[in-house]
This record gives sequence, structure tokens and C-alpha cells, in this order.
Amino acid sequence: QKEVEQDPGPLSVPEGAIVSLNCTYSNSAFQYFMWYRQYSRKGPELLMYTYSSGNKEDGRFTAQVDKSSKYISLFIRDSQPSDSATYLCAMSDGNAGKSTFGDGTTLTVKP
Amino acid sequence: EAQVTQNPRYLITVTGKKLTVTCSQNMNHEYMSWYRQDPGLGLRQIYYSMNVEVTDKGDVPEGYKVSRKEKRNFPLILESPSPNQTSLYFCASSLYGPIEAFFGQGTRLTVV
Repeated sequence: QKEVEQDPGPLSVPEGAIVSLNCTYSNSAFQYFMWYRQYSRKGPELLMYTYSSGNKEDGRFTAQVDKSSKYISLFIRDSQPSDSATYLCAMSDGNAGKSTFGDGTTLTVKP
Repeated sequence: EAQVTQNPRYLITVTGKKLTVTCSQNMNHEYMSWYRQDPGLGLRQIYYSMNVEVTDKGDVPEGYKVSRKEKRNFPLILESPSPNQTSLYFCASSLYGPIEAFFGQGTRLTVV
């Protein structure tokens, strides 16, 4: 079993929809939770980073961490065609240099 | 402009021919890391470096070497490439460990 499992998708939604992207994990030592967006033929770019549990909001994006359930989510409000990309969750315990990524969810937002 | 630069972007090579993929960052970051990305397997960490002359293995280090002689550079060395090392490779850097990482644009390597 993988340490980080991500909903595989692909996900296709109409423009303006609310999107929910999710990851579960098994390592209770994870303290740092990241979401990256990766456009085709590009490197991942950091969207949001959360330490420990709770919510964090940045514009149309909200990251949510529930450590008791070992579950993290990224919500995208008012989704736009430019949000079409692969979204990767990543986690780290912060004590060493290692990070673990989910496999990614490919999102398509249709105009 | 803050960036992580990888070279080359594309490379086709033959089995056993040593190669080096360079990575350079201009943000004075202490932490650098190499990943490979494969369909169905996601991004997997190969090696990372917390600072100059400090390197450590990630999850898939076999067949790879790295060095960190200067803060800005972190080359990935394949001494004897094999076809199972055909992949998309990314270098990343950050100020504090594997958090808030900046990624390079990727190197697509094909070993025949």
C-alpha cells in the first residue's frame, strides 16, 4: 500500500463548478502538506502549503487538512478552464529531506 | 527571475553511456532534490541535499549519483544508464527542506 493515495480521476467539470481534490495518507508523522499544480510538459508549481491540521485559503483555493482522519483536500471555487491541469498532493514529516507525492489527479474544466 | 534550470531538456542515449543532467538554482536555497516522474507511479524522490556536501538517498536512488559542491548546483549522474531509467526528471529547490519547493522545467530522458 502506498503511503499517499490520491483520487486518480480524471475529473471533468463545467466552468464555474466547485472542485474537490483529495488525498489520504498512512504516515502519522507527516506535518507538512502541499498541493502542486502541473500543466502539461511543465514542472509542478506550488499552489498551497499547510502545516498540521486546519484550513488555509488563497483566493479561489482552499486547502483542508484533517490529521485525525489522515485526509487532505483541495477545493477550487468558480473553476476556470485555466485550472485544467494535474494536481499533486505532497507530504513531509519536516525532519528529514524526504517528501512523498500522490500520483496526481488530472482536472479538465470545460468552458 | 527566480528559477531552477535543468539541462538538457531532452536527451536520448544508449545503454551504458554515462550522462549528467545539470540543475542550477538562483535563489540561494539550501535544499535541493531530484525526482523522477513515471505514469502510474507519480513523482518519486531520487536524492536530496540539505546543504553543500550533504546528500542523502530518497526512495529510488539505485543507479543514480549526485554531488553538491556548490550551493547553486546539484547535478544528477547516471554512470551506466539502463532502459528502466527512461523517465521525466525534475530538479527542485527550497529554502527549508522539501516544503514550498520550486521545480525545474524537467528533463525527458530516453535510454535505448
